[in-house]
Amino acid sequence: AQTVTQSQPEMSVQEAETVTLSCTYDTSENNYYLFWYKQPPSRQMILVIRQEAYKQQNATENRFSVNFQKAAKSFSLKISDSQLGDTAMYFCAFRGAQKLVFGQGTRLTINP
Amino acid sequence: DTEVTQTPKHLVMGMTNKKSLKCEQHMGHRAMYWYKQKAKKPPELMFVYSYEKLSINESVPSRFSPECPNSSLLNLHLHALQPEDSALYLCASSQRRGNQETQYFGPGTRLLVL
Repeated sequence: AQTVTQSQPEMSVQEAETVTLSCTYDTSENNYYLFWYKQPPSRQMILVIRQEAYKQQNATENRFSVNFQKAAKSFSLKISDSQLGDTAMYFCAFRGAQKLVFGQGTRLTINP
Repeated sequence: DTEVTQTPKHLVMGMTNKKSLKCEQHMGHRAMYWYKQKAKKPPELMFVYSYEKLSINESVPSRFSPECPNSSLLNLHLHALQPEDSALYLCASSQRRGNQETQYFGPGTRLLVL
């Protein structure tokens, strides 16, 4: 079975700083997708970024980028120029042949 | 448009009540999902509908009964719930069920069972 591990339960940075959230996963599949979702206190689960496993190029979405290391099964999220609105719970998720599997989440707080 | 809507936003019910949660999407997605999320935990998959047919039931108790009346709507009927069923219930949809598909989530229904 696939597992997703987020080793940082909580993180806190100052506004405008860069922060990196860690995620590792375990799978025997070769074709899969990886996601980062954001869940602010308003509770809506919002897609931040996704990465296709067959693509070597790291995905980027504005201030959000990933460092995808397939051999190491690592998928970290970098948030540049962090903003107060980035305060949220961040979930890393793996989608293989079965269901979407989530990590335990990292609670990120951006301080003014 | 990646909007999934859910009603109601909040629901309080007694253990003998019958209520329903509703989810709607107009993105033409053919897979829809129900998740349960407890505080400070990741969502847990409950049910998956693919092309309006139930394809996955993650051993959910029968007091939860899903229904997919058409390709845009997904309901979750609740009956004789327990206080431990109190949680955030999230609906999601994706174009198809498969590892290439991105799931888009609704805002959730916060359920409190008294």
